[in-house]
Amino acid sequence: KQEVTQIPAALSVPEGENLVLNCSFTDSAIYNLQWFRQDPGKGLTSLLLIQSSQREQTSGRLNASLDKSSGRSTLYIAASQPGDSATYLCAVGNDMRFGAGTRLTVKP
Amino acid sequence: DVKVTQSSRYLVKRTGEKVFLECVQDMDHENMFWYRQDPGLGLRLIYFSYDVKMKEKGDIPEGYSVSREKKERFSLILESASTNQTSMYLCASSYAQGAQGLFGPGTRLTVT
Repeated sequence: KQEVTQIPAALSVPEGENLVLNCSFTDSAIYNLQWFRQDPGKGLTSLLLIQSSQREQTSGRLNASLDKSSGRSTLYIAASQPGDSATYLCAVGNDMRFGAGTRLTVKP
Repeated sequence: DVKVTQSSRYLVKRTGEKVFLECVQDMDHENMFWYRQDPGLGLRLIYFSYDVKMKEKGDIPEGYSVSREKKERFSLILESASTNQTSMYLCASSYAQGAQGLFGPGTRLTVT
């Protein structure tokens, strides 16, 4: 059974900081990994999808990396803004097993 | 605008009732998923389906069943609702295995 862990559970940073969110998984035989964002009371929005053959994906200020051999992915957010405040979740594999998420607060 | 829709945003049911949660996608997606989300536990996979009339158990299938008679519709059934099934239920779909997942807005179910 795939186990997905996200650390830290919560993070608070001042505006403008660069930050890294972590996702680890136990079964490295995966086809892909996705990062999602969830705002309070809302559904999930897909941010980045990394296929197993890729090492990273970028979208604007977001960069996600994947290291299958070590069972790790990171989501890097550059120059954080208050609008980035949300819960960030990673989902691993075709059947999208999720971690518990990291709740990010960016203070003005 | 492509989307995943869920039949209700809020639902209140009584213990012992049979409950149907419906999910419809208009994107001809092969894969569909049902999750429940509880504080501190993230999203837990209940069931998923890779094709019509196919279903696979996720991590917490007990107390639930599913039906996928048509490609666009994936139903989650609570055979006899219990208070511990009070939760937010989220449906998702994806075009194929390994493709980006798209989520519906969720149904907040309260069982009293």
